[in-house]
Amino acid sequence: GAVVSQHPSWVICKSGTSVKIECRSLDFQATTMFWYRQFPKQSLMLMATSNEGSKATYEQGVEKDKFLINHASLTLSTLTVTSAHPEDSSFYICSARQTSLLYEQYFGPGTRLTVT
Amino acid sequence: AQRVTQPEKLLSVFKGAPVELKCNYSYSGSPELFWYVQYSRQRLQLLLRHISRESIKGFTADLNKGETSFHLKKPFAQEEDSAMYYCALGGSNYKLTFGKGTLLTVNP
Repeated sequence: GAVVSQHPSWVICKSGTSVKIECRSLDFQATTMFWYRQFPKQSLMLMATSNEGSKATYEQGVEKDKFLINHASLTLSTLTVTSAHPEDSSFYICSARQTSLLYEQYFGPGTRLTVT
Repeated sequence: AQRVTQPEKLLSVFKGAPVELKCNYSYSGSPELFWYVQYSRQRLQLLLRHISRESIKGFTADLNKGETSFHLKKPFAQEEDSAMYYCALGGSNYKLTFGKGTLLTVNP
């Protein structure tokens, strides 16, 4: 149980275009989903917290207009990287938290974004 | 501000040797601490949570509030333990702050 999927697993896009990444909790309802960014050989950096039905909360330094987050249902959150630039190339990981469990997060497999 | 420090980027041991991965934290409240593991080409998964005081795959971790530490230990390392290990601290709004991780290599 407690599986989180991400789609796509990798994507290549051209500079200036937008790309959407989906995060789904497959067998549980996720009140909260988190979006992280991971640079090569570095730790996870929290970008934003997404609560179902409300606006996402972004961490300091993360551009909310660039990284649009939508959490329309208890099983789906999306991250849209708008007007992508090569510096946005990274590994994006989502996680989901079950309502009944306080801090426990289940992680998706990640999405590799390459902007050319 | 909360912070998690994992002082070792890399740790290499031989199979059967004891292993200790260090984690120190900084937090003003009562901490909720976790160890996550990421095996090669796999997603991050929860290994241990301090509150349950459990032993998973032979690993244990004890919260030492005096030393603000939550070191991960295993008495006899196995090759399959080779992975990236992250210490994480729970904060407000159920957010997790991760350390930079320690890459453990267990040599045969």
